[in-house]
Parts: sequence; C-alpha cells; structure tokens
Amino acid sequence: AQKVTQAQTEISVVEKEDVTLDCVYETRDTTYYLFWYKQPPSGELVFLIRRNSFDEQNEISGRYSWNFQKSTSSFNFTITASQVVDSAVYFCALSEDGQNFVFGPGTRLSVLP
Amino acid sequence: GAVVSQHPSRVICKSGTSVKIECRSLDFQATTMFWYRQFPKQSLMLMATSNEGSKATYEQGVEKDKFLINHASLTLSTLTVTSAHPEDSSFYICSARAAAGRAYNEQFFGPGTRLTVL
Repeated sequence: AQKVTQAQTEISVVEKEDVTLDCVYETRDTTYYLFWYKQPPSGELVFLIRRNSFDEQNEISGRYSWNFQKSTSSFNFTITASQVVDSAVYFCALSEDGQNFVFGPGTRLSVLP
Repeated sequence: GAVVSQHPSRVICKSGTSVKIECRSLDFQATTMFWYRQFPKQSLMLMATSNEGSKATYEQGVEKDKFLINHASLTLSTLTVTSAHPEDSSFYICSARAAAGRAYNEQFFGPGTRLTVL
C-alpha cells in the first residue's frame, strides 16, 4: 500500500528564514515517483518537482532544494531565504505507476513579513 | 508546459440540482484523466480514473451513480454531480495524462472547480 506522511501540519516562519518541509513515504514497489506541489490560496496546484526512485541525487532550483533519501523513505523540501509569496500549502505525492497519485495531507506554510 | 483547463472555475447551485464540470487538455491528448476532490483544509483524494471511450473506474466509497464521468474524446472529460447536496461542496480538480509527445505519460493538473451547494 502507498502512503505519504507530512508530519508538519502548519509552519510559520519569518521572511528570509530557511524552512524544511518533511515528507515520508511508504511503498512496496522498487519503482515509483515522488512529487512536490504548491497550492496557493487560488487553489491551483503548481508542479515543483518529480523524482523517480532510481535518481537519488539532490536537486536545487533557485531557492528550492530537495533531499531524497531512500534509506529513510524521505523526500524533504527546503526553501532558502523564504519570501511571503512562498506562503501556500505544499503537498508531497507518491505514484507507483506514474498515473495514480497518493497525496500527503499537506503542510501549510506561512511566511510572515 | 501542457495546459489543462476546467470549466466552470466556481459554481454555486441549489440542493438537488445537477452540476457538470468539464476538464479539457488544451494542447495534448489525454487517454486518461483523473478526478480528485479536496475538502477545505484537507488533501486531494482521488475519486475516479476516466479512460477515453470506456467506463470510469471509481475509488472505494465514491458513488458512481452520483458522480457521473464521461470521457468522450481525447481532450475532454466531464464530471457530473447529480442531485448535489451541501456535503458535495468541495474543490474538484482534474488531471490529464499525456498520451504522446514530449510530455508522454506526465500528468498535468487543472486549476480546479469550487462547488458550493446551498
């Protein structure tokens, strides 16, 4: 069975602070995909990253970085120098076949000015 | 990137009426589309998988007679909430899987439709 856990329900930080959003997943498959999406107040999901299970390289994209560790089944997301515009709900998701997604419960991030 | 649209973006209706939500892939063909429901402050839950030209596959606990799904073409899937009630008020999001091209097998999400049933 697939499961995604995001233990942090809500996080508040002050602008310019770094923040890490945790994601732990469960799957029996050796091949799977992990995703992060941002959902701003408008509701539209914004794709951030897709990672397949064979690629454990960490990734950096601007202020965003991701740490994928298969040994701990974690795919954590770090925002460096957070900005108010980063305020949103962030979802981690898992897909074993690239089609059916299982979303985590989400982490609501508030970045205060 | 590939674009998925939903129409309407928000709808308010009276209890007992039916509401149709459209999901279109604008610049790619999608043999498979997915419908999700998101209640306030909750995560997205898959309702059903819609395959072009065949019956949809519903997740456990989702009433297929209440949530009618039609995937009549490679670019359009519709979700009809029949006899809507206030508990059906939710944010409905579709996604479409690219059937070919550079984005083959990738999934793209629509902007969502907010349904409010009075």
